[in-house]
Amino acid sequence: EDKVVQSPLSLVVHEGDTVTLNCSYEVTNFRSLLWYKQEKKAPTFLFMLTSSGIEKKSGRLSSILDKKELSSILNITATQTGDSAIYLCAVFRQGGSEKLVFGKGTKLTVNP
Amino acid sequence: DGGITQSPKYLFRKEGQNVTLSCEQNLNHDAMYWYRQDPGQGLRLIYYSQIVNDFQKGDIAEGYSVSREKKESFPLTVTSAQKNPTAFYLCASSIASGRASSYEQYFGPGTRLTVT
Repeated sequence: EDKVVQSPLSLVVHEGDTVTLNCSYEVTNFRSLLWYKQEKKAPTFLFMLTSSGIEKKSGRLSSILDKKELSSILNITATQTGDSAIYLCAVFRQGGSEKLVFGKGTKLTVNP
Repeated sequence: DGGITQSPKYLFRKEGQNVTLSCEQNLNHDAMYWYRQDPGQGLRLIYYSQIVNDFQKGDIAEGYSVSREKKESFPLTVTSAQKNPTAFYLCASSIASGRASSYEQYFGPGTRLTVT
């Protein structure tokens, strides 16, 4: 059975801290791994990772995929209160039923 | 403005009633999806459709039904057979599958359904 596991499930930090969120997966026919940020309602897209070892960056956020370890990390440096959200990891499996398999998410709270 | 709309934002129903959640997109996407999100859980796939007049069951389809008569619309009916219907429901869409850009799904704002 396809599985995506995120850790930690919940994290509380102070503004300015750096955080690392983890995502590991066991998915047949892996194609890509995606990160989403969900504040109150609709998840918004952050990154899509297909190749191992290539870092994707957007401002203070960065992410990298390790296909050997079947995992990815999402780093947020100099956190701000606006980074408080649930961060969702999803893996796209190809062939047969092509779909995204989601992890349970990491709830990040950044306190001032 | 291109996007996905879901209505209503909040919906209250009595147990035993069927209810239909609306999802419309004007992104010209071929594929559409319905997810359910419960507290502390990730998104679980209910149904998806890759083309008009065709749809497939996801991981938790029991107690739900869908239709895809138009490309823009993918309504979800929560039937009285669904044992725990109270949840946050998200609709998403993506361009045609089989292309790398199809992996990214765009989400609507969601409908919070409460059944008492």
